[in-house]
Amino acid sequence: DAGVIQSPRHEVTEMGQEVTLRCKPISGHNSLFWYRQTMMRGLELLIYFNNNVPIDDSGMPEDRFSAKMPNASFSTLKIQPSEPRDSAVYFCASSSRTGPNEKLFFGSGTQLSVL
Amino acid sequence: GENVEQHPSTLSVQEGDSAVIKCTYSDSASNYFPWYKQELGKRPQLIIDIRSNVGEKKDQRIAVTLNKTAKHFSLHITETQPEDSAVYFCAASPNRDDKIIFGKGTRLHILP
Repeated sequence: DAGVIQSPRHEVTEMGQEVTLRCKPISGHNSLFWYRQTMMRGLELLIYFNNNVPIDDSGMPEDRFSAKMPNASFSTLKIQPSEPRDSAVYFCASSSRTGPNEKLFFGSGTQLSVL
Repeated sequence: GENVEQHPSTLSVQEGDSAVIKCTYSDSASNYFPWYKQELGKRPQLIIDIRSNVGEKKDQRIAVTLNKTAKHFSLHITETQPEDSAVYFCAASPNRDDKIIFGKGTRLHILP
C-alpha cells in the first residue's frame, strides 16, 4: 500500500484565492482526519470523518474552511478565501475502525503559504 | 472537549542520558494515549501507545506510564541516541467519539 497520499506537497497562493487540498486514505481505512500544524498551536484537529460522514467539525476555524469526503477513497479540504494566517502544514490521516482508537497513518502533508 | 497539555516544549539531553516528557489530559473518559514522533520535515509516526487498563508499557528504550487518577501520562526514553532528536507529540482519545487530540509537542535535542 502506498500509504496516505496528499496533494499538492507545496502550495503558494495569494490572499483571497481559493485553495483545495486533496487526500487519498489507505484502502480499507474508514476514518479520515484533517489536522493543521503550526509552531504556535501544534497539531490541531480540524475535522474527521467516519465512513465518509463528517462526525466532528468543531475544529474548523471559520466558515472559510470546508471539507468533503464524497467516497471512501477521496477527501478535500477547501479554504475560500485564503488568508496569510492560514499558512501552515495540513496533514491528512486515516485509520481503521476494526477496533476503537486505532493508530493514525499520516500523509506527507501539504505546506501551504498564503502571501 | 478534551484538552492535552504537554511539557516541556523543548528538551535537551546529553547522548546516553534519559529523557522524560509529561502530558496531562482533561477528559476522564479518555482511554487511549498514543505518542507520535515527527522528524524534521517528515510526517508524525506512532512510536508507542497505552490504553487505560494498564499503567505502564515498554518497548526497548521507550516506555510510557499512565496515572488515570491524576490524569497524566509520560514518555521515557533511556540511553538516548542522536536519532532520537525529533518532535514528540502526546495525544488522548475519548472512547465515545474516537477523535484524537494532540498536545503541542516537545522538541527533543540529543547533544553529542
